[in-house]
Amino acid sequence: DQQVKQNSPSLSVQEGRISILNCDYTNSMFDYFLWYKKYPAEGPTFLISISSIKDKNEDGRFTVFLNKSAKHLSLHIVPSQPGDSAVYFCAASARTDKLIFGTGTRLQVFP
Amino acid sequence: NAGVTQTPKFRILKIGQSMTLQCTQDMNHNYMYWYRQDPGMGLKLIYYSVGAGITDKGEVPNGYNVSRSTTEDFPLRLELAAPSQTSVYFCASRIGDWNTEAFFGQGTRLTVV
Repeated sequence: DQQVKQNSPSLSVQEGRISILNCDYTNSMFDYFLWYKKYPAEGPTFLISISSIKDKNEDGRFTVFLNKSAKHLSLHIVPSQPGDSAVYFCAASARTDKLIFGTGTRLQVFP
Repeated sequence: NAGVTQTPKFRILKIGQSMTLQCTQDMNHNYMYWYRQDPGMGLKLIYYSVGAGITDKGEVPNGYNVSRSTTEDFPLRLELAAPSQTSVYFCASRIGDWNTEAFFGQGTRLTVV
């Protein structure tokens, strides 16, 4: 039972444009959501997070949106840069302390 | 500041062998996690711990064991290696609240032949 789903395995975006990565979850107990970025042969690194009491959180070029009624969150990267090419994971946490990850979306930003 | 350190980086095991993947963190984090990432797949939670002496199963615990005798160390034990355990294993830690980010190690690539 996949509690956190990223239905798009890959995304290709031109440099300077917006990248939108999507994530859906099924467990209504999740109340903290995170996005991680992963380069090959490295561990995931934290990018941005959002609490369930908010619907938007922004950090520079990265914005995360949360729609609790739809159990959906998205990561917007504007403008996209070639260095953003990586695999992006969304993750969710409940007060049970588990941290559950999605399947990942491979983003490629081309010139 | 070393953060989360995993050893070894690479290992090849024969079917039926056992081994321990080491994970240590120097950030005094209470929470620690073990994940596996199969090719083209996401990160699956194997086991986690919310403090020394406390461990709990994640999504895919079968075939693994853990212990947490100190705050710093969270080793993952494979008793009878099987080809299905070929994967990249990541250890992570976070400070001690459910609403904080986790920090990851560099991973251990394990192949069982």
